[in-house]
This record gives sequence, structure tokens and C-alpha cells, in this order.
Amino acid sequence: EAGVTQSPTHLIKTRGQQATLRCSPISGHTSVYWYQQALGLGLQFLLWYDEGEERNRGNFPPRFSGRQFPNYSSELNVNALELEDSALYLCASSLPRQGVETQYFGPGTRLLVL
Amino acid sequence: DAKTTQPPSMDCAEGRAANLPCNHSTISGNEYVYWYRQIHSQGPQYIIHGLKNNETNEMASLIITEDRKSSTLILPHATLRDTAVYYCIVRPPNAGNNRKLIWGLGTSLAVNP
Repeated sequence: EAGVTQSPTHLIKTRGQQATLRCSPISGHTSVYWYQQALGLGLQFLLWYDEGEERNRGNFPPRFSGRQFPNYSSELNVNALELEDSALYLCASSLPRQGVETQYFGPGTRLLVL
Repeated sequence: DAKTTQPPSMDCAEGRAANLPCNHSTISGNEYVYWYRQIHSQGPQYIIHGLKNNETNEMASLIITEDRKSSTLILPHATLRDTAVYYCIVRPPNAGNNRKLIWGLGTSLAVNP
């Protein structure tokens, strides 16, 4: 079974540009989570989508946005890029269920803003 | 803020058991303990989780103290490929929109030949 996939693996942008990152969840998973991991720091929660709807967002400015498509894949858009947006962006998927769900992560997209 | 405390780094000899501790003294009765690891610059890999009982799978064992205020992840025969940052996370069961994982800085485990 294929795991979570993300594209591109690396992305180089300049300040002020827009970046689009993509994520395909594990087959059958309906939830997608996005996290940011800046160099040397822990993962910070960005966004959670489930069944096509944004369910929760972390403490990030509105220029971080995204969407989830009918096939449950997801896009993360970062507008007006700033130098400090340089980070590893991780996507995770899960199948919501009673009790507790497990999030499975993709390999990440490394974004470099120059 | 993360609800867990882990040592920043540990060493282990290849072939020996690696015991990674985690303190979660403020854990609530219905919160689970999750372990992930992250090999350099890759996505985190799920290892194991538990609520009250000890758990074992093909990767590791999870020992949770009776008062649930701490736990230990055990890699029974560490290999060089187990060198990674190990994260201990406490999370509640699915409750509304609060399903995010809150990450600390983890323990950097170095397995030495």
C-alpha cells in the first residue's frame, strides 16, 4: 500500500512569490494535516482538512491557506513568501475514527525562500 | 506547549536495547501516549501508541507506568538505522476539532557501532 506522497520534494522561491505544495493521502484516508518544521525546531501544526472542509488551523497568518479535493488530496498555498517561511512542510493523513486516530506522514517538501 | 519532557540526546551501542524515557506528569485519564521518530530531514515515522497497558509491535515496545506519568520506548536491538530523533506525544482521543499533534524537540538517539 502506498504511503503519503508529497510534491515537489524541494522548492526554491524568492521573497514575495507564492508556493503551492501538494499532498496525496493514503488510500482510504479522508483527513489531511499540514505541519511546518523550521530548521532545528519542532513540528508546528498548520491546517487540518477532512471531507473537503477546513476543520482547524494553527497559529499562522492567513497567507497560509489550502484546500482538499474530492479525492482527498490536498494543496497548501503560501502567499507573499517571507524568508522565515523556509522550512520542511509535512503532510500527514489519517482515517478519523472513534477513540484515537494515527497520523501517517509523507516525506515532506523542503521550501527555501531566497 | 508540549505536555512531555524528554532528554535531548542519548547514545546506544549497536545491538543493545535502547530505552528512551518520556515524562508526561500532567497526562489526563483519556490521553494517549504516541511515539514517532524522524530520521534526518525525512517525514516522521509512526512507531507505537498506548493508553494504559504496555504495547509491543514489530518495531518497539512501549512501557507505561501504572500512574501513567511516564513511559519508556524500548528498541530491543538497536541498529545504526535507528539513529533518529524520537518524539513522545500526548494526545486526547478524537474530540471535535482538536486533533493536532503537539510536538516537543524529542530525543536525538545516536546508535554507535
